[in-house]
Amino acid sequence: AQSVAQPEDQVNVAEGNPLTVKCTYSVSGNPYLFWYVQYPNRGLQFLLKYITGDNLVKGSYGFEAEFNKSQTSFHLKKPSALVSDSALYFCAVRDSRGNTPLVFGKGTRLSVIA
Amino acid sequence: DTAVSQTPKYLVTQMGNDKSIKCEQNLGHDTMYWYKQDSKKFLKIMFSYNNKELIINETVPNRFSPKSPDKAHLNLHINSLELGDSAVYFCASSPLTSGGTDTQYFGPGTRLTVL
Repeated sequence: AQSVAQPEDQVNVAEGNPLTVKCTYSVSGNPYLFWYVQYPNRGLQFLLKYITGDNLVKGSYGFEAEFNKSQTSFHLKKPSALVSDSALYFCAVRDSRGNTPLVFGKGTRLSVIA
Repeated sequence: DTAVSQTPKYLVTQMGNDKSIKCEQNLGHDTMYWYKQDSKKFLKIMFSYNNKELIINETVPNRFSPKSPDKAHLNLHINSLELGDSAVYFCASSPLTSGGTDTQYFGPGTRLTVL
């Protein structure tokens, strides 16, 4: 069965500093990996995804993520955090084998402090 | 224009009642989903429909019944509401692609409170 772990419930970072939100996964086949962001009282917004190809994926709002197969990780990064990046971030994985649902991590709350 | 819309945004009701949540997407997508987000923000798939056919049905009580009148709409009907049904319900849609690589687009959510 596929699963995804976000080991940090909360990440605090000062505005202007780089940020990292961690994600590790487990699948039987090849992983399809996604990052979503949820602002308060809003739906999830798609940031980026990894399907195949280049391990470094660039997405919306200056975010990027690096797929690391040996470490089964897909950490979300941004070189310089903004206060407006403060939100709840979800990593999700789907197994390439079979008609499986998208499985979400429990979310990491990012707080960027001015 | 709103891509995935849900009504109502808030729903407060008594235990035992029956209620429906509506979802519409104007993206031309073939697949639609219902997710439940609990009070700890944990997000879990409930149902998935592709061209009006049920393709994913996770372990959900049969009090929950999805209905898809056409591929742009997926409604969720809940019978005999219980306190534990209180949550935020999200609708989502995605284009028809093979192998599960498609991006899902989410609606704004419906906050259901059962008293």
